[in-house]
Amino acid sequence: GDSVTQTEGLVTVTEGLPVKLNCTYQTTYLTIAFFWYVQYLNEAPQVLLKSSTDNKRTEHQGFHATLHKSSSSFHLQKSSAQLSDSALYYCAPQSGSFNKLTFGAGTRLAVCP
Amino acid sequence: EAAVTQSPRNKVTVTGGNVTLSCRQTNSHNYMYWYRQDTGHGLRLIHYSYGAGNLQIGDVPDGYKATRTTQEDFFLLLELASPSQTSLYFCASSDAGGFYAEQFFGPGTRLTVL
Repeated sequence: GDSVTQTEGLVTVTEGLPVKLNCTYQTTYLTIAFFWYVQYLNEAPQVLLKSSTDNKRTEHQGFHATLHKSSSSFHLQKSSAQLSDSALYYCAPQSGSFNKLTFGAGTRLAVCP
Repeated sequence: EAAVTQSPRNKVTVTGGNVTLSCRQTNSHNYMYWYRQDTGHGLRLIHYSYGAGNLQIGDVPDGYKATRTTQEDFFLLLELASPSQTSLYFCASSDAGGFYAEQFFGPGTRLTVL
């Protein structure tokens, strides 16, 4: 099956500075897409970004990520972090079988003033 | 946007107790999933289903049963609850087929087993 490794634990960044959350993966031939989910405090996870195209930059809500199949990576970046970005972030490859997602352990982002 | 609801939102039971968590989705999605969320482990798939009467085993199924009674309703059953099953449980649904079929999550049920 698929496996995901994310930046461990807590990432703390000052408001206005750039942030990068790492995601590397091992997947099977059944993997069809890659997602970043975000979970705000006391809320459900929701999709932030998604991609299935190699070497194509995907952007949403100021975040961007590029799928690099050669290095098995799908890192999440933002050029200027905002206080409202504080949340738990999950990287998740999706299998074509039942649209199953395999979630990493998650990275908690704390943006400080 | 898909609407996924869960009940109860909070539940406390004792070791050996019998618990049923309910999930309903109203967007006619074929696929439904049950996850548990624990710090350091992320979201882990317990069971999933592609339609009424169907059940597929997920990655952490031990101690859990599930049943999909209709396209809308998916239940998670803990027949002999243990403290290790204390967790935050999420239900999700997804449309069948196609690319980028997102999973839409419910608000979660926090279960405490004493």
